[in-house]
Parts: sequence; structure tokens; C-alpha cells
Amino acid sequence: DAGVIQSPRHEVTEMGQEVTLRCKPISGHDYLFWYRQTMMRGLELLIYFNNNVPIDDSGMPEDRFSAKMPNASFSTLKIQPSEPRDSAVYFCASTARLGYEQYFGPGTRLTVT
Amino acid sequence: GQQLNQSPQSMFIQEGEDVSMNCTSSSIFNTWLWYKQEPGEGPVLLIALYKAGELTSNGRLTAQFGITRKDSFLNISASIPSDVGIYFCAGQPNTGNQFYFGTGTSLTVIP
Repeated sequence: DAGVIQSPRHEVTEMGQEVTLRCKPISGHDYLFWYRQTMMRGLELLIYFNNNVPIDDSGMPEDRFSAKMPNASFSTLKIQPSEPRDSAVYFCASTARLGYEQYFGPGTRLTVT
Repeated sequence: GQQLNQSPQSMFIQEGEDVSMNCTSSSIFNTWLWYKQEPGEGPVLLIALYKAGELTSNGRLTAQFGITRKDSFLNISASIPSDVGIYFCAGQPNTGNQFYFGTGTSLTVIP
């Protein structure tokens, strides 16, 4: 079975550019999560969706970040405009039931210069 | 947000030794998850715990949900070089829906 799929695996961009990260959850999982991992702050939840609807976006750092889930098999996290402090690894995870095991994708390593 | 204290921060052990690490919180948790992350990869789920006192094994790995519901433990028996990585705990408090992650235990196994 395919796990959570993320693309691209690596992204290098210049400050001010728009960045779009993509995620395909495990089929049948109704919950999708976006996390950010940095050395300083560890793994932080940014936003999660249930049945394609954003439920909690309190972790989204600021208005430059936005996330969408147009259908059950696809989600995007967009940063516009990007800043060097956005450099981090961004993970997508999914689960079939809230409060139960979450499965992570391989992550997108973002570098903003 | 919730604070999860994970210890030790790092471990250097000889191949064949047993490993113990733990995670504690100031709040009661409903669920504990243990993950392993290798460089350049996402966290991989090792064990999930849902009941206080629960003891669950996955091969050489054993994890326990603390009876107070404020802690969890992970043990690795007879370590091998491929156990190298960072181990994270994650807990879901009984208030709210999100998981909070520990700061990780970096494990190095010396052949």
C-alpha cells in the first residue's frame, strides 16, 4: 500500500517567491495534518483537515501561510511570500481516526535563501 | 502548548545493549505514539498505546503507557546498528485533538 506521498522532496527558493508543497494522504484516511520540523522548535502542527475541511489552523504562523484540500486525495500548503525563517522540513500526515496513529510522509525540505 | 519532556536527549551505546527512554508530561494523555526518524525521512510509527498501563511490543521494541497517564516508556532490547535514529514520543492530551511531540532521543549504536 502506498503511504503518504509528498512533493517535492526538496525545494530551494529565493526570499519573496511563492512556494507550494503537495501531499497525497493514505487512501481512506479522513484526517490530514501539516507539520513543520525545525531544530529549534521540533515538530509543530500547522493545520489539520477532516473530510477536506480545515478544522484547526491555529498553528499556521501567519497570513503568508495557507493550506487547501480540494479533494480527499490532495492537499497543498502554500507560502507567499516566502522568507528565510520559513526554512524547515514540512511533513504531511494522515489518519483514519482522530486521536489514533498518524502516518507521516517523507517530508519536503524547504530552503529559502 | 503542551510540554513533553523526553529523555535522555542522546544515547551512545554498544551493539547488543538494551535501551530505555521515556516521555513525561504535566497533563493527562489519552494516547501515546512512538516514532523513529532517520535522516532525510519522515517519522515512522513504531508503537501506539491507548490505555493506561498498556504494554505493547513490536519485535525488540516494547512501549508502556504509564499508569498515571502522564508518561510513557520505550525500551529496545539487544540493539543493532540499524536502530540508529531519533526516537520521538507523541501524546494526545484528554483536552483537544492534536498530538504534541517530544524533543527526541538521538540513538547511536556502536558496532
